[in-house]
Amino acid sequence: DQQVKQNSPSLSVQEGRISILNCDYTNSMFDYFLWYKKYPAEGPTFLISISSIKDKNEDGRFTVFLNKSAKHLSLHIVPSQPGDSAVYFCAASANNAGNMLTFGGGTRLMVKP
Amino acid sequence: EPEVTQTPSHQVTQMGQEVILRCVPISNHLYFYWYRQILGQKVEFLVSFYNNEISEKSEIFDDQFSVERPDGSNFTLKIRSTKLEDSAMYFCASSEEYPGSSYNEQFFGPGTRLTVL
Repeated sequence: DQQVKQNSPSLSVQEGRISILNCDYTNSMFDYFLWYKKYPAEGPTFLISISSIKDKNEDGRFTVFLNKSAKHLSLHIVPSQPGDSAVYFCAASANNAGNMLTFGGGTRLMVKP
Repeated sequence: EPEVTQTPSHQVTQMGQEVILRCVPISNHLYFYWYRQILGQKVEFLVSFYNNEISEKSEIFDDQFSVERPDGSNFTLKIRSTKLEDSAMYFCASSEEYPGSSYNEQFFGPGTRLTVL
């Protein structure tokens, strides 16, 4: 099942710079997208979401961009901090599917001091 | 800040045994979910539960699995006869229902690591 894909398994950035995490999807029925952050031995922590009626949503240092025509979304973190180092998952849901989330495989972000 | 809690944090069981994983969702939430993550794989949806019944389930959620809300606070996942391939992290999640909203953010618990020997 490759409905949601994160093609970069890892990303390394310098503290203070921008981190850009990417996610692609194939199911045109998806209408809501979320980003979660996960530390080892913990559950996913909700970060930010975006509805398909928008193309951008911003919350502090985190911004999610949605390009529906390309079926692509991205998470921008600026400025990046060492505490942002974690695995980031994008997830998608379709309103007609009981709100089940379909997850990507995750991208491990390492922010170097 | 309210959070989803899960017990136990780690469960070891013998193949063929029954296990019950427990979750306490956030108190004003109405939708409940179970997901699992096999080591090195994606987080996968198992089941969603609303108004005391299953609203969606995946192909993984076969007859060996069941869910229950035995009281006003707990939400449980039972695996009747565990198999080796059931070894995974099991995450419970909950979300609040907004009337007319197309979706709500799901908040996850810390997970239960199930090891089947």
